[in-house]
Order: sequence, then C-alpha cells, then structure tokens
Amino acid sequence: ILNVEQSPQSLHVQEGDSTNFTCSFPSSNFYALHWYRWETAKSPEALFVMTLNGDEKKKGRISATLNTKEGYSYLYIKGSQPEDSATYLCAFIRGGADGLTFGKGTHLIIQP
Amino acid sequence: ETGVTQSPTHLIKTRGQQVTLRCSSQSGHNTVSWYQQALGQGPQFIFQYYREEENGRGNFPPRFSGLQFPNYSSELNVNALELDDSALYLCASSLRDRGRTATEAFFGQGTRLTVV
Repeated sequence: ILNVEQSPQSLHVQEGDSTNFTCSFPSSNFYALHWYRWETAKSPEALFVMTLNGDEKKKGRISATLNTKEGYSYLYIKGSQPEDSATYLCAFIRGGADGLTFGKGTHLIIQP
Repeated sequence: ETGVTQSPTHLIKTRGQQVTLRCSSQSGHNTVSWYQQALGQGPQFIFQYYREEENGRGNFPPRFSGLQFPNYSSELNVNALELDDSALYLCASSLRDRGRTATEAFFGQGTRLTVV
C-alpha cells in the first residue's frame, strides 16, 4: 500500500506572509511527483511535475523542491495573497504504474 | 479552464442502479484517467485508458468499468451502485508518448454522485 502524507492538513496564513508545507512519499521505485492547486468550485490545476532528485521548480511566488532519496517534497509560497487560498495536493507515481497516488491535501486559507 | 469537460455535474442514483459518467479530454490528449474522491480523502485512482485500452487500474472492483473512444472521450460505468460509491468523480487527460513521459494531468471539474 502506497502512502502519500501531507502536512499540515490545514493552515491559516496572514496575507503577505510566506508559508510552506510538506509531502512525503515512498522513496523506493520513484517515478514522478506532481503538485496541484485546487480552488473551490474549480478543477485541480497542475503546478509542478518533478522527476529528478534535487529538482527545484518555480512558478511566480510558488516554488517546490524534491528529495527522492528521503521521500519528501516541499511547496513554498512567498508573500501569500488571498488568491492563494486553495487545497494543495501532491501526487506520487511509482515506476511501472500509471495512476497518481494522492495525499489528502493541505487546505490553505489566506487571511487579509 | 483546462479544456476537460465532465457530465453531468451532479447526479442522484438509487442503490443497485447503474450509472454512466462522461468526460471529454483536452484536444490532442491520448490518455484519460478516472479518480474517485470521497469526503475527507484525496482522489483515488480508478483506472487509466491509453489509446482506447485500459492500461492501469487501482483497487476498485470490476463493477467499475470504462471506455475510451477514438476521439479520446471517455466513460466511467458503475454497476450495482452502493452507498459508499457516493463521491466526486474526476476525469483527467494527459498526453503520453511511448516512453511514458511524466506529464501533468488536466482535470475536469468532476461529477458529484450521490447514492441513496
């Protein structure tokens, strides 16, 4: 059984502050790690697809790092804005498999 | 908008009935996956279709079945509905080459199924 764990489960952050949260996944047989942002009443939107140990990716104020040897990824948001409020999902693909195994997500609320 | 559309958006069915959910993939995508998200959980992988053939399946019983059509649209069929099948069903399309490149998935907004 694959377990993808995300922490914290929910997070309240003041507008303008920076924040980060964690995704942990099995370190063996790694293929790829995805991050998605899911806003209420919308569809999940891909942020990053990461495949190599040490990968660092950035999109605007959001960035992510990947450590496949120890099985974790961090997502960072710099200078949080109200539009960053969403659920952030990470998903793991192991070698030889095709479907994404998701964590339960981190629910982020940015307070003005 | 991702270009992936699902229908219907909401559906209520009675236990024991059958249901068909539909998904139109983003143009140019040859792979579609279906996920079930129960309350409080992350999406769970049901199965994936690549060029009209099932090529991966999660831990779901055979009463969950699917089809992918030549235009890459897809259906999810669930027979003998149970109360626990109540969930949000998400469809995701992606472009996969022979080398199984790790590309991002584009999701629809989902179908909310309630079984009573």
